Amino acid sequence: QVRLQESGPGLVKPSETLSLTCSVSGGSVHSRNYYWSWIRQPPGKGLEWIGDINSSGSTNYNPSLGSRVAISVDTSKNQFSLELNSVTAADTAVYFCAGTLYYTLGTYIHLYVFDYWGQGTLVAVS
Amino acid sequence: ETVLTQSPATLSLSPGERATLSCRASQSVSTKVAWYQHRPGQAPRLLIYDTSDRAADIPPRFSGSGGGTDFSLTIHSLEPDDFAVYFCQQRNDWPPTFGPGTRVEVK
Repeated sequence: QVRLQESGPGLVKPSETLSLTCSVSGGSVHSRNYYWSWIRQPPGKGLEWIGDINSSGSTNYNPSLGSRVAISVDTSKNQFSLELNSVTAADTAVYFCAGTLYYTLGTYIHLYVFDYWGQGTLVAVS
Repeated sequence: ETVLTQSPATLSLSPGERATLSCRASQSVSTKVAWYQHRPGQAPRLLIYDTSDRAADIPPRFSGSGGGTDFSLTIHSLEPDDFAVYFCQQRNDWPPTFGPGTRVEVK
């Protein structure tokens, strides 16, 4: 069973960079079987997908965040990370890491289904 | 991007009752809708993907239906652990987007 755990500062100053790490157990970040995502939920609002990374290091980011976001993988620690720069109060949210068990079956593609989640970590920008 | 709306915002029911939650998409998302359960302080849990496929270890009292723009999650007989927030998500259109959630609370 894949388990995810977010870690990082709970408070970030405006204009600085938010950095979070997700530790993975029960699965390997460099396995071709998984995609790893970051998702956030501002207070009182819905969830927003931030972006993802796969085992080859290819990333996809939500256009809503422009060029402020970067996701990377550390295979030696079995972790993946999020960096969001130039933060404002609007970036205050609970940040979740999530994993997708990627597979194809004929024309079927199992992607962007979030099979595994961390508990989330609240990051306040103030 | 595709906007998802969920109704009702809050559903007040008693254990043993049936819960029916709705999710509507701003455009057709085919059958590419998933449902998640989120209890406070816990990791969200995938319940249903692709409208009606139950994820591993999800009991059969959870079922999903729909297609196009209208989708439903039914919990056939509420158990104490089922009182939580449920949100839908679409993956037909990129980027994937989520609904705002429905809270199922004890009446």
